Amino acid sequence: DGGITQSPKYLFRKEGQNVTLSCEQNLNHDAMYWYRQDPGQGLRLIYYSQIVNDFQKGDIAEGYSVSREKKESFPLTVTSAQKNPTAFYLCASAGGGVAKNIQYFGAGTRLSVL
Amino acid sequence: SQQGEEDPQALSIQEGENATMNCSYKTSINNLQWYRQNSGRGLVHLILIRSNEREKHSGRLRVTLDTSKKSSSLLITASRAADTASYFCATVNAGGTSYGKLTFGQGTILTVHP
Repeated sequence: DGGITQSPKYLFRKEGQNVTLSCEQNLNHDAMYWYRQDPGQGLRLIYYSQIVNDFQKGDIAEGYSVSREKKESFPLTVTSAQKNPTAFYLCASAGGGVAKNIQYFGAGTRLSVL
Repeated sequence: SQQGEEDPQALSIQEGENATMNCSYKTSINNLQWYRQNSGRGLVHLILIRSNEREKHSGRLRVTLDTSKKSSSLLITASRAADTASYFCATVNAGGTSYGKLTFGQGTILTVHP
C-alpha cells in the first residue's frame, strides 16, 4: 500500500449524516485521487487534485466533496445527498517525472449504511 | 465512464499454467496500464505500456498493445497460487492533463489453484 494511509478501514453512516474519509500520503506526490468501487466493478473517479488548493470533479462527483489544503492530505466527505454510499473507497496519488501516470493506492475504506 | 472492457470476467487455472487477460478500449490513449488487486485491498501497479510500444515484459508478465484494434493483453506465465487476484487495465487518454486521469476496466478475476 506504499506511503498512502486511508482511515478508517470500516465506516458506518446513518441516514442524513455526512462522513469524512481520510487519505494521507508521505510520497511528496502532487496529484491525489478518490475512486469508488462497487462489488465486481472497476473503479470510478470521484474527484482528483493536481495541486494544493485545487481539485476537479471526476465522473461521479455528485453527493461528494473534497478539500486539498495540504499536499499530504485529500479528505473525502460523503454527504447526505449521496443516496447510495455503500461502496469501497480508494485513494491514490501520483508523482511527477516519468512516473507521473502511475498511481499508488491506499488500502481502502469500506463504507456501509446503517 | 468505463473505457476498458476486460475479457474474460473470470479465469480459473492450475498452478504452472499461463493466464491471458484481454482489455479493449474506445478512445486514443497516451498509455495503458495493468493493476492488480487482492481481495479487499488497494490496487498495485504492475506495468505501463505507451501508445508507441507494442510489447513489454516485466518478470513473468508480458503485455501487448495493438492500437489499431484498441486492445491489450496481459500474459502471466507459470502462474502461482499467489497470483490469485483481480486484474484491471487502465488507460490514460491522449492529450490529457499533466497528471494522467486513469479510466479503469471492470477487471478479470483470476483464480490459480495449487
